Amino acid sequence: DTGVSQNPRHKITKRGQNVTFRCDPISEHNRLYWYRQTLGQGPEFLTYFQNEAQLEKSRLLSDRFSAERPKGSFSTLEIQRTEQGDSAMYLCASSLALDGNQPQHFGDGTRLSIL
Amino acid sequence: LAKTTQPISMDSYEGQEVNITCSHNNIATNDYITWYQQFPSQGPRFIIQGYKTKVTNEVASLFIPADRKSSTLSLPRVSLSDTAVYYCLVGHSGNTGKLIFGQGTTLQVKP
Repeated sequence: DTGVSQNPRHKITKRGQNVTFRCDPISEHNRLYWYRQTLGQGPEFLTYFQNEAQLEKSRLLSDRFSAERPKGSFSTLEIQRTEQGDSAMYLCASSLALDGNQPQHFGDGTRLSIL
Repeated sequence: LAKTTQPISMDSYEGQEVNITCSHNNIATNDYITWYQQFPSQGPRFIIQGYKTKVTNEVASLFIPADRKSSTLSLPRVSLSDTAVYYCLVGHSGNTGKLIFGQGTTLQVKP
């Protein structure tokens, strides 16, 4: 079990730039989630994939955010025209789709800092 | 989703047993109770999950009374490395399984 891998671990960029994060889930997991976490708060749900289909998006996911999961394997989260408020830790998690109670396995996140 | 209430913070000393209680008065019949642990600059890590009575694994025990309106995570003989944020989650949101986190309990273990 290699776990959930996220790259890069840290990203510093200027406001207005585009950034893309990658998540490699545990290989047999068909569910993939993106969360965002700010300092002192618990993670907040952003979006969910089952295989390659994006089945739910949070209202937190503005039109500057887009996520993909081609072929149901790795996933990318892109933020266009970054803003100061986008600074956060972006977490990816995966699980099996046996039922809704399956534990989610998280990566260690990508910390985004907007200058 | 059932709302959960847990202490914002707790302090303990090495070697002590720590019990963190979570209230979830509106838990639904088919809801499970799940606890995650998070260290700074890491993603949350699943600790334990239960439905009723008692569940034990190599890391912790989870006690759930008959009415299931609360649960207690028990960490035996904590060490400094158990300093972390502990999240109690109940149920799951629809068929997606997305998790709704609260602020969690920050446990500080002192030498």
